[in-house]
Amino acid sequence: RKEVEQDPGPFNVPEGATVAFNCTYSNSASQSFFWYRQDCRKEPKLLMSVYSSGNEDGRFTAQLNRASQYISLLIRDSKLSDSATYLCVVGFEGSASKIIFGSGTRLSIRP
Amino acid sequence: GAVVSQHPSWVICKSGTSVKIECRSLDFQATTMFWYRQFPKQSLMLMATSNEGSKATYEQGVEKDKFLINHASLTLSTLTVTSAHPEDSSFYICSATNRGVAKNIQYFGAGTRLSVL
Repeated sequence: RKEVEQDPGPFNVPEGATVAFNCTYSNSASQSFFWYRQDCRKEPKLLMSVYSSGNEDGRFTAQLNRASQYISLLIRDSKLSDSATYLCVVGFEGSASKIIFGSGTRLSIRP
Repeated sequence: GAVVSQHPSWVICKSGTSVKIECRSLDFQATTMFWYRQFPKQSLMLMATSNEGSKATYEQGVEKDKFLINHASLTLSTLTVTSAHPEDSSFYICSATNRGVAKNIQYFGAGTRLSVL
């Protein structure tokens, strides 16, 4: 079983739609959680950290459920520029600060 | 802040040659640097973790003699792909964590696309 699992998509939704991505992780010792976005042939860029209390940044809302080992990302009022691959990332404490990437969910916003 | 520069961005080389990729943290001291590889339509796979002044820790299945990592200072790590072969063609990305700032947030370089002929 993969350490971090995501639906690969692609999700193809119209501009203005709301879209949600889910991610599950297998290691209960995971300590930190993030969503990154990656555009084609570019490096990943941090979108937001994810906290148990949930957090919101503009049109983006992230939730963490530690009991179910489940992370979600909600994008409201989607824009054409939101088209990208969204990577669920799980981190572990310790000097190594290692993180594990999910395989990503591709999102395509159509006009 | 938290800018990571990676160089070169694109390399084409002949089979059997060695290629060096540099990763620099421009405006912070990097506690740790990481090297990833990404094949088309796949996720980033961690190759090794590099701490300044010590030997890199390689992930299972990554040959340390083939992928040489040097982390001589808090702002520079290098990855050398020795005797590169076509199957080494991939997108190599480095990242760094910022000493004293939020743990586990990694800042990525722009990546190096390696094509071995």
